[in-house]
Amino acid sequence: GAVVSQHPSRVICKSGTSVKIECRSLDFQATTMFWYRQFPKQSLMLMATSNEGSKATYEQGVEKDKFLINHASLTLSTLTVTSAHPEDSSFYICSARDKLAGGPRDEQFFGPGTRLTVL
Amino acid sequence: AQKVTQAQTEISVVEKEDVTLDCVYETRDTTYYLFWYKQPPSGELVFLIRRNSFDEQNEISGRYSWNFQKSTSSFNFTITASQVVDSAVYFCALNGYNKLIFGAGTRLAVHP
Repeated sequence: GAVVSQHPSRVICKSGTSVKIECRSLDFQATTMFWYRQFPKQSLMLMATSNEGSKATYEQGVEKDKFLINHASLTLSTLTVTSAHPEDSSFYICSARDKLAGGPRDEQFFGPGTRLTVL
Repeated sequence: AQKVTQAQTEISVVEKEDVTLDCVYETRDTTYYLFWYKQPPSGELVFLIRRNSFDEQNEISGRYSWNFQKSTSSFNFTITASQVVDSAVYFCALNGYNKLIFGAGTRLAVHP
């Protein structure tokens, strides 16, 4: 149980294009999903928290107009990197918290990640 | 402010050695969770353990053991008789309220 998928697993795109990454909770409903970014040999940094049916909360320094997050259903959140540039190349990881979880401190289940390369 | 410090950037050991990965955390919350994750070269995070702030019992799972010391705000992870398959980056993380804060990670290399 508690499986989170991400699609695509790897994407290469040209500078200036937009890329959409999907995060799905496969066997549970997730009211809250999180998006992280990880640069090579660095730690995971939280980009934003999204709650189903409401606007995402972005961390300081993350451009909301560049990283569009949509959490339209209890099993799907999408991250769109708009007008991607080489500096956006990174490993993007999503996680999801079960709707039935004990509370905001409860466990997050992680997706396998999406490696984005912008040429 | 919440913070997780993993002072060891890289550790290199020879197979069958025991190795301890350190984790020190800071939080003002009285209720929180601590986690350890393993990230192999494939990139996917593998959950290892969750410990809540009210449970200071040490835990052993096979070759893995964890030592939670609230008095020193530490949650250290020991691998006994390390194996090559243990080579990965290990992250310690703190979950206060609605946010998971990761340490910088410790890269463990186990050589045959």
